[in-house]
Amino acid sequence: AQSVTQLGSHVSVSEGALVLLRCNYSSSVPPYLFWYVQYPNQGLQLLLKYTTGATLVKGINGFEAEFKKSETSFHLTKPSAHMSDAAEYFCAVTRMDSSYKLIFGSGTRLLVRP
Amino acid sequence: EAQVTQNPRYLITVTGKKLTVTCSQNMNHEYMSWYRQDPGLGLRQIYYSMNVEVTDKGDVPEGYKVSRKEKRNFPLILESPSPNQTSLYFCASSQGEGGSSYEQYFGPGTRLTVT
Repeated sequence: AQSVTQLGSHVSVSEGALVLLRCNYSSSVPPYLFWYVQYPNQGLQLLLKYTTGATLVKGINGFEAEFKKSETSFHLTKPSAHMSDAAEYFCAVTRMDSSYKLIFGSGTRLLVRP
Repeated sequence: EAQVTQNPRYLITVTGKKLTVTCSQNMNHEYMSWYRQDPGLGLRQIYYSMNVEVTDKGDVPEGYKVSRKEKRNFPLILESPSPNQTSLYFCASSQGEGGSSYEQYFGPGTRLTVT
């Protein structure tokens, strides 16, 4: 069965510092991988996705993630945090069958200190 | 504007009083789904629909019903709500098979409180 693990329910960084949010997945076949962001009182917005091809994918707002098959990881990074990045981030993997279900990690809340 | 809409955004109700949360998308998507979000658990799928008149259970379907009579609408029905259904609910849609790599678009959420 597929699953997603996000290390750290809360991550705190200073403004301007590197953001690193960790995501590991388990899957018997290479999945499609996603990062979503949820701002307070809003729905989920797609940050970026990996399907096939280049393993380093760039998303919106300066975020990027690298698919590492050998490590079954899809960590999210941003070189310099901004106050507006404070939100909850979800890593997700698509179930590779007809259900199209997104399997989510439990989420990581990013706090950005001035 | 391409979007998924949900109504109501906030709902407080009492145990046993039937309610419906509506979901509508204007992207002509075949696939639609309902998730619930609970602290520490991320989002879990309740029901999904591959197309009109085709629905199936997700991971946590107990206590919920859905219908898909039209392509754009996918209402979530709680026949007899209980306090353990207090949660934040999201509707999502996707092009489905042959579409954009399974990318799903989410509505703004409905916060339901059952007392």
